Amino acid sequence: QVQLVQSGAEVKTPGASVRVSCKGSGYTFTRYDMNWVRQGAGQGLEWMGWMNTDTGYRVYAQKFQDRVTMTRDTSTSTAYLELNSLTSEDTAIYYCARGGDEGKFDWGQGTLVTVSS
Amino acid sequence: SYALTQPPSVSVSPGQTARIACSGDALPKQYTYWHQQKSGQAPVLVIFKDTERLSGIPERFSGSSSGTTVTLTIEGVQAEDEADYYCQSRDSSGTYWVFGGGTKLTVL
Repeated sequence: QVQLVQSGAEVKTPGASVRVSCKGSGYTFTRYDMNWVRQGAGQGLEWMGWMNTDTGYRVYAQKFQDRVTMTRDTSTSTAYLELNSLTSEDTAIYYCARGGDEGKFDWGQGTLVTVSS
Repeated sequence: SYALTQPPSVSVSPGQTARIACSGDALPKQYTYWHQQKSGQAPVLVIFKDTERLSGIPERFSGSSSGTTVTLTIEGVQAEDEADYYCQSRDSSGTYWVFGGGTKLTVL
């Protein structure tokens, strides 16, 4: 079955960068897009962008355009999200979500990123 | 930027019907997806392409569409349905995904 396993919780100081990983299994990694979505405490879901895991083509939400990078390693079926210039407002749970057939999302378990001085 | 609008909360008694609306200008030309998120858990997709129910999702969940509004309906609500529900769709260009603000369903 499809599984997306994300890396563990992170604590960062303001101004730092964070990288979150998402390892896919149970399917052919390069056949499906990977999305990233975040959720602040008590807040709603916020889509950050998606990446074609085959070609590497990426589309970022305008809000994150200047400081987000999505990459992948096809040899390990792992997608990565890197977010720079962190502030306290970036404290959130970050989810990867496979963009499956017919637009269906399969979600990872989430990674808590805490930004605090 | 494009936005999807949902009511913040809906409350129903067990056995009643809950309806959660989602409105957006591009909805007549873009499919909508509904995700259920229970407290402390990752979201789970329940409805895709406006009306299709994901395998394993109870038949009491259904989706419908009319113009710029789509609706998630839960008939015969059960206590286990208490959760946050998010609609999701693309903007008119089809480039960007957008989520609604979420609706908290409370089962009284």
